[in-house]
Amino acid sequence: SQKIEQNSEALNIQEGKTATLTCNYTNYSPAYLQWYRQDPGRGPVFLLLIRENEKEKRKERLKVTFDTTLKQSLFHITASQPADSATYLCALKGYQKVTFGTGTKLQVIP
Amino acid sequence: EAGVAQSPRYKIIEKRQSVAFWCNPISGHATLYWYQQILGQGPKLLIQFQNNGVVDDSQLPKDRFSAERLKGVDSTLKIQPAKLEDSAVYLCASRSTTDTQYFGPGTRLTVL
Repeated sequence: SQKIEQNSEALNIQEGKTATLTCNYTNYSPAYLQWYRQDPGRGPVFLLLIRENEKEKRKERLKVTFDTTLKQSLFHITASQPADSATYLCALKGYQKVTFGTGTKLQVIP
Repeated sequence: EAGVAQSPRYKIIEKRQSVAFWCNPISGHATLYWYQQILGQGPKLLIQFQNNGVVDDSQLPKDRFSAERLKGVDSTLKIQPAKLEDSAVYLCASRSTTDTQYFGPGTRLTVL
């Protein structure tokens, strides 16, 4: 069956370091993969999209990689700040619909 | 540009009661989604509309959940009767011609 896995345990890092979040999937051939940020009590906010034929995408301090052989995407936040603390969701576009992972909570410690 | 609007923001009901949620998408967005997000989980798609037609409702519990999108704009999601396990945040999202979904703030439903 199709499965999207994100580390369910919270990730705690020191301010200024690079945070790396992982999204693994099985039994998917996604057309694209997206990363969203979700703050408590709010809806997810779109951050980045990477397509199946792209290896890497960058936006300011954010970087996403997509390895369709490993079936994995890595999401990096460089020079992390306390304001980056949130839950980060990956979402895969399958045949017809987008399916979300469970999210990883990131805590950036000052 | 105004975002996706949802109401109410919070709702508390007894089990077996009915409840309805309303969503107003971003103007011009043809695609509208309803998601259920249980605490600690990612959003789960309940139903997807393209204009006022249903594209995907494979995960909608049709014995108790219903949704409509009249005139291809606003949408309502109804639960009747509610069960304890329906306690969750109900998110509405809309999408333009790009692949980006824009989410509303959600409605937090508590079923007692």
